[in-house]
Amino acid sequence: QSVLTQPPSVSAAPGQKVTISCSGSSSNIGINYVSWYQQVPGTAPKLLIYDNNKRPSGIPDRFSGSKSGTSATLGITGLQTGDEADYYCGTWDSSLSAVFGGGTKLTVL
Amino acid sequence: EVQLVESGGGLVKPGGSLRLSCAASGFTFSASSMNWVRQAPGKGLEWVSSITGTVNYKYYADSVKGRFTISRDNANNSLYLQMNSLRVEDTALYYCARQRYGLGDFWGQGTPVTVSS
Repeated sequence: QSVLTQPPSVSAAPGQKVTISCSGSSSNIGINYVSWYQQVPGTAPKLLIYDNNKRPSGIPDRFSGSKSGTSATLGITGLQTGDEADYYCGTWDSSLSAVFGGGTKLTVL
Repeated sequence: EVQLVESGGGLVKPGGSLRLSCAASGFTFSASSMNWVRQAPGKGLEWVSSITGTVNYKYYADSVKGRFTISRDNANNSLYLQMNSLRVEDTALYYCARQRYGLGDFWGQGTPVTVSS
């Protein structure tokens, strides 16, 4: 049972938009920045979004992040087959531990 | 180019110990906080431990507190995780990650740890 709650799976057609939610609490998302990670099976996680909505160099603007209250959302537009992966949200908790969501598997139909 | 290379994983019996290493290059290691994150087979990411860059504050997940110890050698650009009293549930791929942005802006490829009798 993860501290942050994500839907187990989402799907959409190529070219479409998808959003992935991440629900936390006032002790984690409510007071700290959220980051998002993409993990293609068999590879290491890759940072997509940090500080709620900032993209590292090299991450296309098809990926976006937002936060409201104790929830955060990752958006992906113009879906490509290469976007098929597991996506994780993460943040710090007031208990001085870091927490991740359980992960969301994105299928591009 | 930032590189993180983990090593030291392997097969160990319950109750045993392992020491993981992470060799860093391509950035100012001493100024960077570092994380260990693990992933059990078929499961999601689980944060294990963090260490700050200069003052060396250390943080641990409740699941490993008292059994695992994080440390670093800034002179040799290396991060370590000493794992004692290992349990079957510690079986996972262990990643080291640089924590400059988010919980990890660069990740190694991981080193596998299997705890089994």
